[in-house]
This record gives sequence, structure tokens and C-alpha cells, in this order.
Amino acid sequence: DGGITQSPKYLFRKEGQNVTLSCEQNLNHDAMYWYRQDPGQGLRLIYYSQIVNDFQKGDIAEGYSVSREKKESFPLTVTSAQKNPTAFYLCASNQGIYGYTFGSGTRLTVV
Amino acid sequence: QKEVEQNSGPLSVPEGAIASLNCTYSDRGSQSFFWYRQYSGKSPELIMFIYSNGDKEDGRFTAQLNKASQYVSLLIRDSQPSDSATYLCAVNRDAGGTSYGKLTFGQGTILTVHP
Repeated sequence: DGGITQSPKYLFRKEGQNVTLSCEQNLNHDAMYWYRQDPGQGLRLIYYSQIVNDFQKGDIAEGYSVSREKKESFPLTVTSAQKNPTAFYLCASNQGIYGYTFGSGTRLTVV
Repeated sequence: QKEVEQNSGPLSVPEGAIASLNCTYSDRGSQSFFWYRQYSGKSPELIMFIYSNGDKEDGRFTAQLNKASQYVSLLIRDSQPSDSATYLCAVNRDAGGTSYGKLTFGQGTILTVHP
């Protein structure tokens, strides 16, 4: 079945540590997105990519980095510069006008 | 003013009633509009999308769009306890001649349907 796979489901980060969240899709979609969701809030866009080897900052890109070396993969790195990284992270993709397909999310907690 | 704003919740309706969820947006150039349902701890799932003014019906769900008033709503008829979730309104700001356009989300409205 086609879909988006995010891993891990839960991730714990120590202070000053960089962590990478994985996002893989087999839908053959060109565009991929990373969003962050905090309790009681909607989704806020971190980064997005519409083609391989190209990506753009979203509304809250500071403290995050991405790469898009393959069409299927769009990993997100949460760097030590992100001071409040505890949140639910969602990866999405789309092709065409029918909205996003979301992965199941990664819940990141700072310990 | 937030780019996409939803009516503050939580919204509580009895089983079998009509639930009405509202959303306003600030960018008059917005082209397409989406409603997602999100159960607690899960990722959002698409319920409806609408592009043209008027109503669009799909089963118990009706999306209504009024571009002049910059307003989109979702009606859920015959509400069921399984409809209890957070409903997210999303707007595509960048039609830009392509099909992709990133979505901007509202803060969500929590709906509770009680038996």
C-alpha cells in the first residue's frame, strides 16, 4: 500500500543534541512538507520541498534543517539551536489538488 | 489577525444533531480549502476539500465556501460519538499556477458528540 512512513514514533532528545526524524513516501509525490504541532495549536510549517535537491523555509524554520536527495525521502534534523523542540512532528506529501497525505507523526520530547 | 482562524471551542453537541464548524481566512487570493479530522494522538485525515463558492456534500458532511466573505464552514449531520475529534481548517495560499501549494492551518476546533 502506498503511504508515508515516519520514524521513530517517539523520540527523546537530550539538551544540546541533534536528532533526525525520518520521512519516506512511496506515493511518487513531488512535494513534501514538515509541520510541527503544539498542544492546542494547529500545524505550523517548518520546511517544504517541491523537487529533489530543492527546499524552502516555512514559517518556523529556525533551529531545523532538511535535505531532499531522493524523491522518496525528506528527513528533518532538529538541531541544538531549536530551544523548544518538544512537539508532535508531521510529514506530509501531495501531488495535485487533493490535499495532503500525512504520515503517522513523531512525538519528540526533550529530556 | 491570524491567516486562518477557526471558531473557538470546544464544541459539544448531542448525538444526532448538526455540528457546525467555521473558519475564516485573511488572504483573499486563497484558492482551495480543506477540512481535516484529527483524533487525539493521531495524524490528520482529509474529510473534504472545496474550491468553488457554494456547497459541497459528501455523505453526512457538507462544506460551504463563500469567497466574498472569506469564510468556509463544515456541517456534520446526524453527529455520532465517533465524530468526536479536532477539526482543522486548511487554506492553500499559493495556487501559483501549480497544483502543489503549501497549506496554512487554523488552530483547530475540538468537537465532542455526547450520547
